[in-house]
This record gives sequence, structure tokens and C-alpha cells, in this order.
Amino acid sequence: GQQLNQSPQSMFIQEGEDVSMNCTSSSIFNTWLWYKQDPGEGPVLLIALYKAGELTSNGRLTAQFGITRKDSFLNISASIPSDVGIYFCAGYGGATNKLIFGTGTLLAVQP
Amino acid sequence: NAGVTQTPKFRVLKTGQSMTLLCAQDMNHEYMYWYRQDPGMGLRLIHYSVGEGTTAKGEVPDGYNVSRLKKQNFLLGLESAAPSQTSVYFCASSYFGAGNSPLHFGNGTRLTVT
Repeated sequence: GQQLNQSPQSMFIQEGEDVSMNCTSSSIFNTWLWYKQDPGEGPVLLIALYKAGELTSNGRLTAQFGITRKDSFLNISASIPSDVGIYFCAGYGGATNKLIFGTGTLLAVQP
Repeated sequence: NAGVTQTPKFRVLKTGQSMTLLCAQDMNHEYMYWYRQDPGMGLRLIHYSVGEGTTAKGEVPDGYNVSRLKKQNFLLGLESAAPSQTSVYFCASSYFGAGNSPLHFGNGTRLTVT
């Protein structure tokens, strides 16, 4: 089936550092989404992207929908301890017209 | 406003036992979903429903059944549990389809099958 390759798998950073993660696919998607999962909870939507090339910010978070429609990235600036969690990308559309999740990026922030 | 509520939060089953996971949402959402989350594999869709009385298979439906008798509830059943079904199960709902409105997730059910 369709797969989203999300990288890196994990990141261990110091508070205040910037973070970048990305998702790539062999398929084209119509929508890219970024979710965050706090420990012991379900994922929560951070940013939704609906158009190729779109760049959207939500506070310290910035995400972009790749021009080729096959990739997306998420940047977090000036990380803080509460940024800890697992970040998932998700793409909608493509061959199956379903929402496909990436494998997640585990972020740990050292105070 | 509770959002999406899953019960139970934890469960341990023996191989061959059956159980039902309950998901309830109070947001009047049409769409509901069951996912499983396994290490290194992200979230995979088991079954979903586009409205009361409807169900459809997702990516990994084998060994599971679902029912949506009421709009606010979506039940996930395991008729004969297997160790491969050890996972964290998440229910989600959305007003429109997954590409057009955000999914709201419950806090998960951690299931261990021994």
C-alpha cells in the first residue's frame, strides 16, 4: 500500500534549538496534515495544508506543502520542553483516496 | 464537551478471548474511524464509518469487526484475540471526510494479548 517516509525517526535536542522534520511519498497527495501526540494521549492536529507550495504557520510551527505534492516539512523554532511528543505527518488523496499516516518522529527536548 | 471518549483505557486478554472497544463522540460528527498504533508503523486504519448504519474496511481490517448502530458510537470487536493484535487502539471522528476536516482522536486503549 501507500507509504509515507517520515524522517528523522527521533530527535534529541536542547531547549531553544530549532527542529526540522519531513515526509516524502512516491504518490501525490491533495492534503498534507501534521499531528502531534503527547504521551498517553491521542494525536492532535497542528497544521493543515491544502495547496501545493502553501506555507502555513501556527505560532512557532511552520509547515510547507511541497511543490511536487509528494512531500511536506514541519519546522519548530526555539523548542521548549512541552514540544516533547511524537509528530506525525499525514497525506490525504493519492491512489487510495484515504488518509495515510507517516511513521512518526519522536522529539525529546532537554531543558 | 467530552470530545471522543474511549473505553476501556487498558485491557489484557488471553489468546482466543473476545472483547469490544467502545468509542463515543459528542460532536455530532458523521465520520468515525478505528486506528491501531504500533511502534515504527504509525497509525493504520482498521475500519471506518461515513454515517450511522454504515461501515467500511480500512487498511488492516482482518480479525476485527465494527458496528455503528448510533451516530455517536462506534464499536470495535475482536472475536478471537491473537498476540498480533497487541497494540494501542485509537478512535477518531470528523465532521466531513478525513481530507476535508480534522480528525479528533480519543486517548487510546492499550490492549495486550497474551
